[in-house]
Amino acid sequence: DSGVTQTPKHLITATGQRVTLRCSPRSGDLSVYWYQQSLDQGLQFLIQYYNGEERAKGNILERFSAQQFPDLHSELNLSSLELGDSALYFCASSFRGETQYFGPGTRLLVL
Amino acid sequence: DQQVKQNSPSLSVQEGRISILNCDYTNSMFDYFLWYKKYPAEGPTFLISISSIKDKNEDGRFTVFLNKSAKHLSLHIVPSQPGDSAVYFCAASSMNYGGSQGNLIFGKGTKLSVKP
Repeated sequence: DSGVTQTPKHLITATGQRVTLRCSPRSGDLSVYWYQQSLDQGLQFLIQYYNGEERAKGNILERFSAQQFPDLHSELNLSSLELGDSALYFCASSFRGETQYFGPGTRLLVL
Repeated sequence: DQQVKQNSPSLSVQEGRISILNCDYTNSMFDYFLWYKKYPAEGPTFLISISSIKDKNEDGRFTVFLNKSAKHLSLHIVPSQPGDSAVYFCAASSMNYGGSQGNLIFGKGTKLSVKP
């Protein structure tokens, strides 16, 4: 158990819908990272927050957004969902940005 | 363009023997490297890391070697056990390069099978 929690574990929705994925980092960690794992692309970095502020952006679509709250939990919002958004979404956390510890992931299926 | 490459999609090893997983990178700004192990339907689990100021780091059965001039790193597992069967990901970051602040760039993984 990495100490990073993610909810929900599974999510099934339809195209055009909007979903919110939630992540709670390990106790004491200030950074939260979001990654997407799809079959053909591997693990891709989406976005990083550090102590409530956006720190880095990767291959994140404009339809996706994230935020980190004062209690340090983070949410990833995915809107206008398309079939191609079906993937595993992982959250990771770190204290100083070196070793990242990953949560169990949310499996999203868009039908 | 893939900055971190794991050229072997799979590797099969006999129990008790050495497993060697390889990883190449192209970005000379990378200064911190990690290996993660992943089982199906679970998140990646951190195994071992190495900073670019070192060329070797050891933790129990796991040793990571870094060859900066060749931009190559490898993970050695000795002795291999059936429970080591999983997908292994190599990852790299630029801790001291302004802007990225440590987000990881992953290879596509190598599936290790350790046969009893």
